Amino acid sequence: DQQVKQNSPSLSVQEGRISILNCDYTNSMFDYFLWYKKYPAEGPTFLISISSIKDKNEDGRFTVFLNKSAKHLSLHIVPSQPGDSAVYFCAASAGNYGQNFVFGPGTRLSVLP
Amino acid sequence: DGGITQSPKYLFRKEGQNVTLSCEQNLNHDAMYWYRQDPGQGLRLIYYSQIVNDFQKGDIAEGYSVSREKKESFPLTVTSAQKNPTAFYLCASSIGEGGSYNEQFFGPGTRLTVL
Repeated sequence: DQQVKQNSPSLSVQEGRISILNCDYTNSMFDYFLWYKKYPAEGPTFLISISSIKDKNEDGRFTVFLNKSAKHLSLHIVPSQPGDSAVYFCAASAGNYGQNFVFGPGTRLSVLP
Repeated sequence: DGGITQSPKYLFRKEGQNVTLSCEQNLNHDAMYWYRQDPGQGLRLIYYSQIVNDFQKGDIAEGYSVSREKKESFPLTVTSAQKNPTAFYLCASSIGEGGSYNEQFFGPGTRLTVL
């Protein structure tokens, strides 16, 4: 049973518009959440994170929102750019230990020019 | 340039053969990890090591073995006991316990195909 779910395998967005990627989790003990971006033939790269003491974290065009009661987090990219086209993984952990992170299956974002 | 290297990028193996995947990092990270990715699934942890000469099984360690003789290196051996070894393998490293968010830095991956 997947503890971290990304129910949209793919998403297409027009350049300049907002991209919203969603992630749901089932384990109420998760308290650290990360987003990674992956280009083809490369390893994932860290994008942004949030701990459960916050409900929002912003870094430039990227904002992550956490709704603990709904066990849901989302990544907003505004404005979307063609270079944002990649696979996005969310990951969750109980405690800040690398070996505890559980990864979702990923969402492929395509930003159309 | 600091980073993680994995070799080879593509690897083909005959059934019944052991094969070793290389992972090297020059980030001076204490912790290193091996993950496996299958289509439609998230990354699954095979083994991890928090310090030299010590490593722990992850969620799917059966059929795999590792060593950590040097801080920089964490090779993964896929043995003939692994029933379904065809997959994409990712190595990662992180500062270790106590880091702010302990995000992991990933290598480019090795795609293993068993013929």
